[in-house]
Amino acid sequence: DTGVSQNPRHKITKRGQNVTFRCDPISEHNRLYWYRQTLGQGPEFLTYFQNEAQLEKSRLLSDRFSAERPKGSFSTLEIQRTEQGDSAMYLCASSLGLSSGIYFGPGTRLTVL
Amino acid sequence: DAKTTQPTSMDCAEGRAANLPCNHSTISGNEYVYWYRQIHSQGPQYIIHGLKNNETNEMASLIITEDRKSSTLILPHATLRDTAVYYCIVGPVTGTASKLTFGTGTRLQVTL
Repeated sequence: DTGVSQNPRHKITKRGQNVTFRCDPISEHNRLYWYRQTLGQGPEFLTYFQNEAQLEKSRLLSDRFSAERPKGSFSTLEIQRTEQGDSAMYLCASSLGLSSGIYFGPGTRLTVL
Repeated sequence: DAKTTQPTSMDCAEGRAANLPCNHSTISGNEYVYWYRQIHSQGPQYIIHGLKNNETNEMASLIITEDRKSSTLILPHATLRDTAVYYCIVGPVTGTASKLTFGTGTRLQVTL
């Protein structure tokens, strides 16, 4: 399968714990995106990388959230001191550029108890 | 801020064409129209995009009005597997500001 992969697919954690998600984009895609989606809503943009540079961050990305893409390939999204409001589907996507379409992974569903 | 307006839901009989409308009256000259869909519990799937000409691929056709203020996604022969939420999005062609802003989309229900 040469699509975007995300791990884990599901994560259940207790409030206050830290969690980290991994995204492996389609190879050779230089752009990588993180989105968050809550029930009944469309995906909301969190942040975007071009190669290893984080070029844009949403105001939704509080200081408890950090994303990295150290070698311009895979990316990690860490949430520190999780809160119940962080429960959502976290989607990763990659592209060669918008005009070529953005390709999403299956998402990581986070449940904070 | 989503720049598009879509009906909340639509029904379509299996085998018939599904025509999903989208209004984007404030679209600017450097913005494409993109369509994505999301089947339950999966990530969004790219369908098609266009600038001003009509486009067709193996999944769908995209008809954009001459003034570019609205468009229609056409699934020529809808099947039950096409049941999904369909998102119409306008976004930039180039540049580093490359995020797509999703609205709430149209929930298409294909029935027997």
